[in-house]
Amino acid sequence: QVQLQESGPGLVEPSQTLSLTCTVSGASISSAYYWSWVRQHPGKGLEWIGFIYSSGTAYYNPSLGSRVVISFDTSKNQFSLNLDSVTAADTAVYYCAVVPTINRWFDAWGQGALVTVSS
Amino acid sequence: EVVLTQSPGTLSLSPGERATLSCRASQSISRSHLAWYQQKPGQAPRLLIYGTFNRAAGIPDRFSGSGSGTDFTLTINKVEPEDFAVYHCQQYSSSQYSFGQGTKLDIK
Repeated sequence: QVQLQESGPGLVEPSQTLSLTCTVSGASISSAYYWSWVRQHPGKGLEWIGFIYSSGTAYYNPSLGSRVVISFDTSKNQFSLNLDSVTAADTAVYYCAVVPTINRWFDAWGQGALVTVSS
Repeated sequence: EVVLTQSPGTLSLSPGERATLSCRASQSISRSHLAWYQQKPGQAPRLLIYGTFNRAAGIPDRFSGSGSGTDFTLTINKVEPEDFAVYHCQQYSSSQYSFGQGTKLDIK
């Protein structure tokens, strides 16, 4: 059973970079999964941000343009989210989640991390 | 990009009633690529249904999914008090995911 835990600053200043890390247990980050990020604005629905595969290939939500990068660190069994040039509209709960590559749905989720963009 | 539209936005029912939640896609999607999640306040989403009609592990059989093409439905027979929550549909297509805006099931 894969378990995920988000970590990172809960407050980010406008125009700065939002950085979050997801620590994985119960599976190797090199395994056949899509390591994903999803966010949820306060009181709103879920928004897929992107995922990275064990090969290093990543896919992103086009609505976020070139602001987003997902990467992983195999030595720490973690994957990360970097979102550049944040504004108040990026205030949300950020979840890391995992999709086994033979499936197309999110099997496991982290508990979520609230990130507020404010000066 | 596939846009998912869920209806109704809010569904008010009494325990014991049947809930019917709709998810409509802006273009046809594979039945194997449609899933439903339940989310309670302060919690992460939980997988309920995958591949349109398959229940995830531990999900009671009062939950069922159906549909094809662009129209998909989540049905909860005889809603229990613990079922009042927000329900999200999700699709996958061409290495992209998207979610509906959610349907809130609340107590009448």
